[in-house]
Amino acid sequence: DQQVKQNSPSLSVQEGRISILNCDYTNSMFDYFLWYKKYPAEGPTFLISISSIKDKNEDGRFTVFLNKSAKHLSLHIVPSQPGDSAVYFCAASDQSSGSARQLTFGSGTQLTVLP
Amino acid sequence: DAGVTQSPTHLIKTRGQQVTLRCSPKSGHDTVSWYQQALGQGPQFIFQYYEEEERQRGNFPDRFSGHQFPNYSSELNVNALLLGDSALYLCASSRASARNEQFFGPGTRLTVL
Repeated sequence: DQQVKQNSPSLSVQEGRISILNCDYTNSMFDYFLWYKKYPAEGPTFLISISSIKDKNEDGRFTVFLNKSAKHLSLHIVPSQPGDSAVYFCAASDQSSGSARQLTFGSGTQLTVLP
Repeated sequence: DAGVTQSPTHLIKTRGQQVTLRCSPKSGHDTVSWYQQALGQGPQFIFQYYEEEERQRGNFPDRFSGHQFPNYSSELNVNALLLGDSALYLCASSRASARNEQFFGPGTRLTVL
């Protein structure tokens, strides 16, 4: 049972345009969400996060939106740059895991930004 | 400031063998979590170590075990390797006060033949 789903395995966007990556979750105990970016042969790099008490968090070109009622979050990248081409993982932290805060990941979306 | 480091980078083993992977956390971090990432999948939580004890465990068999040392570094051991254990093994470190913020190492690519 996949608790975090990224239904789009890949996304192609033109340089300078907006990239929108989507993520859905089923576990209502998730209260903290993160986006990681991963290049080949490297570990995931933290990008941006959002607590369930907020519905938006912005950091430079990256904005994450959280819709708790729909159990949906999205990552917006504006403007997209060729260096943004990577696999993006959505992850969620479960308050029921206590202080451990294990992360549950989606299967990732390969973003390709075309020059 | 060194980030999370892992060794070795790559490893090839045969079925039935045992393997040990190593992780050094980011400076100032005291908690280490291990994840397994199979091809085409997201990372899956194996277990977490804090104060030299296993604090939380994911859905992995007892063949997977670990250890944390007084300097916070950690080892992941896998016994009786199966072909299905072939994956990228990721170590993530965090501070006990901020375990939501996990920083990942580059991973160890394990291939079981």
